[in-house]
Amino acid sequence: DAKTTQPPSMDCAEGRAANLPCNHSTISGNEYVYWYRQIHSQGPQYIIHGLKNNETNEMASLIITEDRKSSTLILPHATLRDTAVYYCIVRVINYGGSQGNLIFGKGTKLSVKP
Amino acid sequence: NAGVTQTPKFQVLKTGQSMTLQCAQDMNHNSMYWYRQDPGMGLRLIYYSASEGTTDKGEVPNGYNVSRLNKREFSLRLESAAPSQTSVYFCASRETSANNEQFFGPGTRLTVL
Repeated sequence: DAKTTQPPSMDCAEGRAANLPCNHSTISGNEYVYWYRQIHSQGPQYIIHGLKNNETNEMASLIITEDRKSSTLILPHATLRDTAVYYCIVRVINYGGSQGNLIFGKGTKLSVKP
Repeated sequence: NAGVTQTPKFQVLKTGQSMTLQCAQDMNHNSMYWYRQDPGMGLRLIYYSASEGTTDKGEVPNGYNVSRLNKREFSLRLESAAPSQTSVYFCASRETSANNEQFFGPGTRLTVL
């Protein structure tokens, strides 16, 4: 089972920041938080990941609470093309085999509206 | 650099028929994966291959077999298709040696009548 809890859906106005929350209260010390998104039933696309520090890349920012029990994915200026299902996943670091597998929940369906 | 490719894109089978879904990656990744996604659900892992020559069961392996033909290719076979196997199938790959992300193919939409 997925170790994360996300709201099933969210709306965001185009041009505004989209803040997607995720709870992972049972996360272990050797688990990273990953975010993927899936647009229109295409294959999922990696967005960002982090361990305990905040992370930023060209797509998004990831804010992880100090106790690591929750995180927020931030899309700073959402566009219509960001409409997708966003998955928050925890994963053991660094190893191949089964420890590298992703366990998907149902994610959050983000609708960006004009 | 095509990334992860899957064939076919669409397929309709009758109950009891067999078929093989093909997946190939050109990123020289060690690990490859097969997932299925049912409507409104997240992806579920069917089988994975941590390296060439090895395969292991995932969450939902029943009714499927896999072959890691070489480092590039990882095929998924349905020996006797059932309506419950109607789904979208995604292949993925990743470089095992670090905290690297998985790269996904475009999916195969399979309908079993």
